Amino acid sequence: QKEVEQNSGPLSVPEGAIASLNCTYSDRVSQSFFWYRQYSGKSPELIMSIYSNGDKEDGRFTAQLNKASQYVSLLIRDSQPSDSATYLCAVNNQGGKLIFGQGTELSVKP
Amino acid sequence: DAGVIQSPRHEVTEMGQEVTLRCKPISGHDYLFWYRQTMMRGLELLIYFNNNVPIDDSGMPEDRFSAKMPNASFSTLKIQPSEPRDSAVYFCASSGEGWSYEQYFGPGTRLTVT
Repeated sequence: QKEVEQNSGPLSVPEGAIASLNCTYSDRVSQSFFWYRQYSGKSPELIMSIYSNGDKEDGRFTAQLNKASQYVSLLIRDSQPSDSATYLCAVNNQGGKLIFGQGTELSVKP
Repeated sequence: DAGVIQSPRHEVTEMGQEVTLRCKPISGHDYLFWYRQTMMRGLELLIYFNNNVPIDDSGMPEDRFSAKMPNASFSTLKIQPSEPRDSAVYFCASSGEGWSYEQYFGPGTRLTVT
């Protein structure tokens, strides 16, 4: 079992819809969880951090964490074509090191 | 505040040549990470430093790869000799603002070995 798993996609949603990206992790002692966005040919960009169970909202983005189920998700409301990118889930469970998932490719169709 | 700075942005070299990639982390950050990204393998952690000391180099592919961090504001990743299979994008990232472990990535170096 991979330490951090994501559906590779591609996930295709129409403009204005809600995009739901999911991630599961294997290490129960994980403490910090992150979502990165990576446009083609660019570097990963941190868009959300979450540390405790529940929801965290930032603009059109909502991160959801459920430590009991070892599950973290990212919701993007009112999806825009500019949201089309690969989204990487990352988990911290050992000092400063992050474990990254393989990423989910999101395509938002106008 | 300047982000993570990497140089060069693109490097094309011939097999067998030495390649040196450079990174300047965000000022005040005490963790520095080197990653490699390819389509086949995704984002791989090669090595990371804390307070200039290498903590985990288990991701370094083989002895041809080496990394140093002589001071808090500079790190290098060296490949000697380079091989075509080393072609990838190499990212440097830094973190260290308290306990959050949020990492910030540089723009990357696209390495092509012919």
